Formats: sequence, C-alpha cells, structure tokens
Amino acid sequence: QSALTQPASVSGSPGQSITISCTGTSSDVGSYNFVSWYQQRPGKAPRLLIYEVNKRPSGISNRFSGSKSGNTASLTISGLQAEDEADYSCCSYAGVPSHAVFGGGTKLTVL
Amino acid sequence: QVLLAQSGSEVKKSGASVKVSCKASGYRFNGYGITWVRQAPGQGLEWMGWISGFNGNTKFAQRLQGRLTMTADKSTSTVYMELTSLRSDDTAIYYCARVPVLSLPYYFDYWGQGTLVTVSS
Repeated sequence: QSALTQPASVSGSPGQSITISCTGTSSDVGSYNFVSWYQQRPGKAPRLLIYEVNKRPSGISNRFSGSKSGNTASLTISGLQAEDEADYSCCSYAGVPSHAVFGGGTKLTVL
Repeated sequence: QVLLAQSGSEVKKSGASVKVSCKASGYRFNGYGITWVRQAPGQGLEWMGWISGFNGNTKFAQRLQGRLTMTADKSTSTVYMELTSLRSDDTAIYYCARVPVLSLPYYFDYWGQGTLVTVSS
C-alpha cells in the first residue's frame, strides 16, 4: 500500500483536460510544498514533470500544471495528446522518519 | 549533459546481497544528492533512500533500515546501493536519480536507466 493515494486510472479524449489527484496527510503533502510529479512510459525511467507543487523544469510543456490544497495535490494536463498516455506518479517530502513517499501511480489513457 | 549510468541486471538467491552502481556525469557531483527508487513488477514507485554527494550523509526508508547501505565515491562520481538479506519481494527495477537540492530528497530531476534485480528462491 502506497503512502499517497492516487486513482488507479483516468482517461480523456484528445484536446480535453484531465486532473489526477494525490492525497496524503498532514505529515507529508499537507506540511510541505515539496510535491513532485513524474511521467513514466512503459519500459522507461520516470521523468520529472512538476516540482515544488507547481514548478516546471526546463523543457516540460506548459500543458502540465500542478496545485495543492490541504492534504491533496493535483496534476492537470490540458490539451490532451496521444503522447500523454503514460503512468503518472506523485511524490512528497515527508520529513523524519519517512523522508519521501510516492503515490501508487495513475494510468492515463487517451481515448 | 547530465547522465546517470547504472550497472547491469542481477539475479540473486534469497538471502544474498546485491550491489548496484550509478555513475554520474555531466555535472558537479558534490553539489547534488542521489536517491534510489525501486519499482516491483506492475507496482508503483517506492523511495528507498538518499545520499549526499557532498559529505556522504544518508537517509533511508524505515522499512529498509538495517538492510540498505549507500556509499559515494567522489573520485569516480559513482554511488553504490547495497541491499542485503534479499527476499523475493525485493525483485524490482532499481533506479538512481539526481536530487538537485543538497540537503534533502525533495525531488528527482534526472534518472538512470534502471537495473533489474531478480531474487529467486
């Protein structure tokens, strides 16, 4: 069982927007603005999409955005494209003793 | 460019140990940390631990304390992850990733290609 809770799957049509939630506790997501999101395509290593809740690394499309409210963080993908089909995982810093915790991952299907 | 090159696949017996390497290049090694994350077949990512490239300080996931060791060789910009007393549920792909903050494992910006560790009985 993962420390952060994500929906197992979400889906959307090309051009639509989807949001993936990531629910933690007051010990992790709720306490720190150190939520990050990763995209993972089959057979590949994860790729950083969002860090510190809502910041995008260089080279990441502005179609990806992050937010947080209380113990729940969210990743929104706008203007869905076929290439967005992948697994998405959230991660939060959690202080001592857990340090860092991941969500179980969400499979995005582009219809 | 930043590159993390991991050692090759391993097959181990239950109870044995495995040591996986992660060689960093393309950046100043002692200015960043390295974290290890694993992924069991069909499962999500699991954070394992972190090591500072500056002073070798480490932090480990509670459930792996006592079985996990991480070391950093600054002369070769290589980090080693050793897991002992292997069990079947340690079968996973093991990833190293760079931590762009020196002090704590906040997020991970570059990842290695992964190393498959298979534990058989």
